[in-house]
Amino acid sequence: RKEVEQDPGPFNVPEGATVAFNCTYSNSASQSFFWYRQDCRKEPKLLMSVYSSGNEDGRFTAQLNRASQYISLLIRDSKLSDSATYLCVVLTSGTYKYIFGTGTRLKVLA
Amino acid sequence: NAGVTQTPKFQVLKTGQSMTLQCAQDMNHEYMSWYRQDPGMGLRLIHYSVGAGITDQGEVPNGYNVSRSTTEDFPLRLLSAAPSQTSVYFCASSYRDYNSPLHFGNGTRLTVT
Repeated sequence: RKEVEQDPGPFNVPEGATVAFNCTYSNSASQSFFWYRQDCRKEPKLLMSVYSSGNEDGRFTAQLNRASQYISLLIRDSKLSDSATYLCVVLTSGTYKYIFGTGTRLKVLA
Repeated sequence: NAGVTQTPKFQVLKTGQSMTLQCAQDMNHEYMSWYRQDPGMGLRLIHYSVGAGITDQGEVPNGYNVSRSTTEDFPLRLLSAAPSQTSVYFCASSYRDYNSPLHFGNGTRLTVT
């Protein structure tokens, strides 16, 4: 089983839709969680960190469920510019290995 | 605002050649790492360093060497390039803090023929 797993998609949604992605992790000692966005042939860029109580940044909401070992990303009012691959990243306590999921591809359609 | 700088951006090697991918950061980050990204595989950790003089292996270290003689630089060496090392390579850095996210360089596209 992979340490960090994501549904590869693609998720095809119309503009204005709400879409959610999940990311599961296998190591219960995982401590820190992040969502990154990656555009085609570009470097990943931080979208948001994920805090235990959940956090929101504009149209984006991230949540952590430690009991079920997953994090989620909710995008409201999708824009064409949200089309990208979304990567979840997990950092485990006691190591300094940031482990990436394979990414979920989102296409927002006009 | 240089951030993380990788050179070169593109490289073509023949099988068996060696080369060094350069990575430098000006954010005084203790932590630096190298990833490779292949289609359908996501980013896989090659090597990482938590500070000058300290390096450790990631998920896919074979065929690669690293050293960390300064806080700013973390070069990745391919000792004898193989076609399986054709990939996009990303260098990333962060503070040595579990809450600190990674900052990435622009990547190096390497083709080994």
